[in-house]
This record gives sequence, structure tokens and C-alpha cells, in this order.
Amino acid sequence: QVQLVESGGGVVQPGGSLRLSCAASGFTFSSYGMHWVRQAPGKGLEWVAFIRYDGSNKKCADSVKGRFTISRDNSKNTLDLQMNSLRAEDTAVYYCAKAGEGYVFDIWGQGTMVTVSS
Amino acid sequence: QSALTQPASVSGSPGQSITISCTGTSSDVGSYNLVSWYQQHPGKAPKLMICEVSKRPSGVSNRFSGSKSGNTASLTISGLQAEDEADYYCCSYAGSTTWVFGGGTKLTVL
Repeated sequence: QVQLVESGGGVVQPGGSLRLSCAASGFTFSSYGMHWVRQAPGKGLEWVAFIRYDGSNKKCADSVKGRFTISRDNSKNTLDLQMNSLRAEDTAVYYCAKAGEGYVFDIWGQGTMVTVSS
Repeated sequence: QSALTQPASVSGSPGQSITISCTGTSSDVGSYNLVSWYQQHPGKAPKLMICEVSKRPSGVSNRFSGSKSGNTASLTISGLQAEDEADYYCCSYAGSTTWVFGGGTKLTVL
């Protein structure tokens, strides 16, 4: 079945770095754009980043621009998010999501928790 | 990229109908028929319920419907059921390969 599984979350100090990964299965990964979406504890959803199916177009939200980088490896069916210069406000559950027709997020992973704290 | 505006909470009794509004701007909701809605139960990942303003993905109950007028989109749930109790988020494409979510609405089924 279609599945997205995130990994790489954990506790990191302010200013530190972390790399999240998302393993995709059950669909032709190389044919679809992918997103990262985050949710701070008790808060709403926030779109973080998007990458086109072939990696040729990437975009990040203003709140993470210059600090976060989205990438993908279509040979391994994986999506990554490199997070640098982390701040307390980056603390959240990070979800990877498949881009669906109509500019939607049609498949979601279970999320991975990132805590930025000293 | 300011978040879309949703009421913090709504409630209704079983069998009733409720509507959740989602107000954006002429740069997002008002410019594109690309509003989607997501249901999220506590501790779970969001689930797509409505796409392109009013289309229901396969498997989503026809009790869920969407609409849009100007800069405001709406989600209506008819025949409320206990399992509908969840958080609901709207989302709009905002141009230039960016997306914006609403702040979320907690639905309580009384």
C-alpha cells in the first residue's frame, strides 16, 4: 500500500543541524512532487517545503528559507530535509506528504518529532 | 505568507450540519480554485477530505462538501457523527509554488 515513513527526528540544541528522511513505497515516487509540513505542539499545520518530481524546482517557506534544504533521491525513493541553524520555534512534528492532483497533500506520513532545546 | 483565518472551534449535535469558514486574501483563496481541507484526529496525521474547493477524494463520505465565494472557502459537514470530532484545516495554493494553511478549527460533536 501507499506509505510514507519519516525518520531522523530528535532533540538538538539551538543552532544545531538535523537531517530528516522520508521513505516512500507503494507508488511511483519519481512521478510526484513531495512536501514537508510541520506542526508545532498544540498548533496548526505549516507548509515548509516542496520539491518537484524530478528535483528541478524547490521552494521553501519564508520562515525556513536559507536554513532548510529539501532534496530527493528517486533511485532510493527517499525525500530529505536538511535543517541547519535550528531555532526553538522549529520544534514540531515534521510530516512528509505526497503532492496530489489539484495542488493537494494526498498522502501523509506519520510524522517525526524535532525538539530544539538546550 | 499569513495563515488563513478559521474559527478556533465549532460544535454541533449528532445529525446536525456545521460549516467551517476559511478566509484568505485575493492572493491565495481568491485567486485559485485550489483550496483543500484536511481532517486530523488527535495524534494522527492529517487526511485529505476536499480538494479543488469542492471535490471529494475517493472514499470520503458525501456528508463532507466544500464551496468558495471570493476570498472565503467553506467546509460543510452534514449529518454529524461522533467520529467527525477532530481538527479541520483548510489550505490554499498561494502562487509561486507556495501553500498556506489555516489555523485550524476544533470540531466538537456534542
